[in-house]
Amino acid sequence: DTAVSQTPKYLVTQMGNDKSIKCEQNLGHDTMYWYKQDSKKFLKIMFSYNNKELIINETVPNRFSPKSPDKAHLNLHINSLELGDSAVYFCASSQGGTSPYNEQFFGPGTRLTVL
Amino acid sequence: SQQGEEDPQALSIQEGENATMNCSYKTSINNLQWYRQNSGRGLVHLILIRSNEREKHSGRLRVTLDTSKKSSSLLITASRAADTASYFCATALFSGGYNKLIFGAGTRLAVHP
Repeated sequence: DTAVSQTPKYLVTQMGNDKSIKCEQNLGHDTMYWYKQDSKKFLKIMFSYNNKELIINETVPNRFSPKSPDKAHLNLHINSLELGDSAVYFCASSQGGTSPYNEQFFGPGTRLTVL
Repeated sequence: SQQGEEDPQALSIQEGENATMNCSYKTSINNLQWYRQNSGRGLVHLILIRSNEREKHSGRLRVTLDTSKKSSSLLITASRAADTASYFCATALFSGGYNKLIFGAGTRLAVHP
C-alpha cells in the first residue's frame, strides 16, 4: 500500500535532454510538493500544488515545469538538463486545507544523474 | 538562507546511549517538525511541536522547543541500531492559508551495536 510513489527511482541522462518524473499519492491529500535534495543533503522545496493549483514556486528555473493533472498526481518535467540538476528529487503530500499542523508524507525519491 | 540548522552534523554512539540533536532557526514559526531519513529512502515524519508548546514526547522521542532562543532539540533515549538515519528539523511557516516547511541540513546519526 504505497502512499506516495515516484517513478523512476533512478534516472541517468545526458546534458541537454528533457526528462520527466512522475508522482502519485493515494492518501486523498489535497496538497503535493516537489523537493530537491542536493549532495550535502539540503532539502529545498521547489513547488507546491493544492487541488491542482500552484501555490508555491520557489524561484526555480523555468526549465522545471510541474504539472498536476489531478490532485493525486504531480509530475515534474525538466527541460535542457544541466549538470547542476543532479540531485535526489522527492515528492510529498499533505492534507492541506487551512490547518497549519499537517505532516508531510514523502515518496522514496528519484535520483537524477546528469552526465 | 536555510531556516533550520542542525547540530551536530554527525553523531556516533553505542546502542543503549541517548542521542541529542539540536536545531536552530531564524524567523518566527507556527510549528516545528522532526523527520527521519533512512539511507536511500524518503523522509518519515516523527513528531510535531507547536509554537506554544515547550515539550512533547512520543515513545523514545522527546522534543523541546524554546521560541525565545529559536531552538529545538530531539532526544532519542535508549538508542538502537535501527535508529541509524539522518534526522531533519523543519520549521513550518504558515502563510496565505498554506504551510511551507523549511528543512535544515540534518544530523547523521550512527548507532553501533
